[in-house]
Parts: sequence; C-alpha cells; structure tokens
Amino acid sequence: GQNIDQPTEMTATEGAIVQINCTYQTSGFNGLFWYQQHAGEAPTFLSYNVLDGLEEKGRFSSFLSRSKGYSYLLLKELQMKDSASYLCAVRDTARYGQNFVFGPGTRLSVLP
Amino acid sequence: DVKVTQSSRYLVKRTGEKVFLECVQDMDHENMFWYRQDPGLGLRLIYFSYDVKMKEKGDIPEGYSVSREKKERFSLILESASTNQTSMYLCACGGWAEAFFGQGTRLTVV
Repeated sequence: GQNIDQPTEMTATEGAIVQINCTYQTSGFNGLFWYQQHAGEAPTFLSYNVLDGLEEKGRFSSFLSRSKGYSYLLLKELQMKDSASYLCAVRDTARYGQNFVFGPGTRLSVLP
Repeated sequence: DVKVTQSSRYLVKRTGEKVFLECVQDMDHENMFWYRQDPGLGLRLIYFSYDVKMKEKGDIPEGYSVSREKKERFSLILESASTNQTSMYLCACGGWAEAFFGQGTRLTVV
C-alpha cells in the first residue's frame, strides 16, 4: 500500500460526524473502495467509487476526485459499533490487472 | 451471499515446517487473492490468480508459493516457515465491484 495514504488513527464522539481521508497515486485507476474491519475480523465492503462525486449509502458516504487522487469516507451519526479500522483500496490496472491495492487503514475510535 | 472459507482460524507451526493454508469460495469468481496483514503495514498482496493453474506474484511473494488446481480453491504454501511469517493471512475473491474476504488465519511460527 505504499501509494495510498490515510491517517493512522482518529477519535470521534458518539453521534458526531467524522471524515476519513485517503490520497492515492496510480497509473491505471479503475475504482476506489472502502472497507470496514473490526478487530480480529475480515474486512467487509462499504463503498465503491469509479466516477467523481459523492456516493451515499445510509449513514456512510464516499467521495472521489480522480484529478486530485483523493477520496474521503464520511460517517454520520456515529455509533459505538463504528469503532473499527477503515481501509481505502484502489484498483490499479497498470500494476496488477484487477488487483486491489490497500492503504494502511485508519483506526477509528468512537467514544461515548 | 458469497462465502469464502479458510481452513483454519488459528495455526501454530514450527520454524522450517511446510505450511498449507487453504481457501475455498462458493461463487464462480475467477479472481482469487492471498494477503497478509500486519500492524502498521495494512494488507499486502502475496499472490493472486485469475484462472485455474494461473498465478501471478504480488508485492511480497518471497517464501511463499500458491496452487490453483480448481476454480473454487486457492492454496497458499509456506515452503519452510520462518518466524517473520507470523501474521494474519487473508484470502479474497472478487469480480469487478468488490472483494470478498475469508475470516482470516492467524499463523504463529515458533
């Protein structure tokens, strides 16, 4: 994941809004993905952006700007169960065909 | 729902042992991947496969090999386990829109 950057840790309060940023560099961009991973569990898919703009799915939204190599995941009305790591991943066809390249992940702690 | 099953949740092996990690998917996905996940490093790709008997190296293939004899099964092999291969290993399969992960195998090499 050396071409993908995310903050290592974030803390927010229950009920608040938090934005997790992701910047990337690729030669053959073909989609950006966000995954959620609770401690000790497998990553689960949250969202997928291939065109610029905002994709909304319930309390979670994801934004993409391809020209800036930038995405964010927005979590609204935070709940304690949202405490997890959030992984940004890019499909880079110039590197590995349909492979997903993952960032280091952002560990989010939601406090009461 | 797609199901990806890894043969073991926890595994302890001795240095120098040959280790097999098995992964089976119940959907018809061509693409299968093996990652390892370490604190601060995220998921790193070891090997992937686009079809039966086809394999490609990822970012960190050294010390590993893979086997894909059937479409639904993708095996990761540690030829001679070493302590620096202690890690969480995640298998995934996927199409165009997303990847589906197995529950992971936490391997400890002593």
